[in-house]
Amino acid sequence: AQKITQTQPGMFVQEKEAVTLDCTYDTSDQSYGLFWYKQPSSGEMIFLIYQGSYDEQNATEGRYSLNFQKARKSANLVISASQLGDSAMYFCAMREALIQGAQKLVFGQGTRLTINP
Amino acid sequence: DTGVSQNPRHKITKRGQNVTFRCDPISEHNRLYWYRQTLGQGPEFLTYFQNEAQLEKSRLLSDRFSAERPKGSFSTLEIQRTEQGDSAMYLCASSPVRGQGETQYFGPGTRLLVL
Repeated sequence: AQKITQTQPGMFVQEKEAVTLDCTYDTSDQSYGLFWYKQPSSGEMIFLIYQGSYDEQNATEGRYSLNFQKARKSANLVISASQLGDSAMYFCAMREALIQGAQKLVFGQGTRLTINP
Repeated sequence: DTGVSQNPRHKITKRGQNVTFRCDPISEHNRLYWYRQTLGQGPEFLTYFQNEAQLEKSRLLSDRFSAERPKGSFSTLEIQRTEQGDSAMYLCASSPVRGQGETQYFGPGTRLLVL
């Protein structure tokens, strides 16, 4: 079974600074995918970025980038130029196979990010 | 392009009552998932539908829980004889068969409080 570990319960960052949220994973699969989601206080899980295990380059989406280090089994999220609206819970997740090709997500415990003005 | 919607957003009920939640996935997505999230935890998988067929259920889904997806469109999750331990956020997600890592897109969730 897949396992995701997020070791930072909370992070506090000044506005406009960059922040790195840590995520390590454990899997015996050769092919896998990693996701980051943002969950504001409203509760909705917002998809941010995806990294496939065979992707040669680190994924980027606007201010979000994923620092993927396969040998270390880490997939850290980097947010550049943080904004007040980035304050939220952030979850790292990995897909785990279900039957007939579908896949469920296995989530970490999350990191609560607070951006200070 | 509308996202995943869920109703109601909040539900307060007394122990022993039945509750039903609804999820409307993104229209072209044929895969639908339910997750449960308790306070301070990440979401945990409950069940999966491909079109109208319920293909996988987690051990978390006790006999008091039932989910349906008639005609492969919206889905309902019913909890019978609710218990205080059922208090949680219930999240629905949908995904296409193909796409970027088969990314799952979530709805806003239904917060259940059992008194």
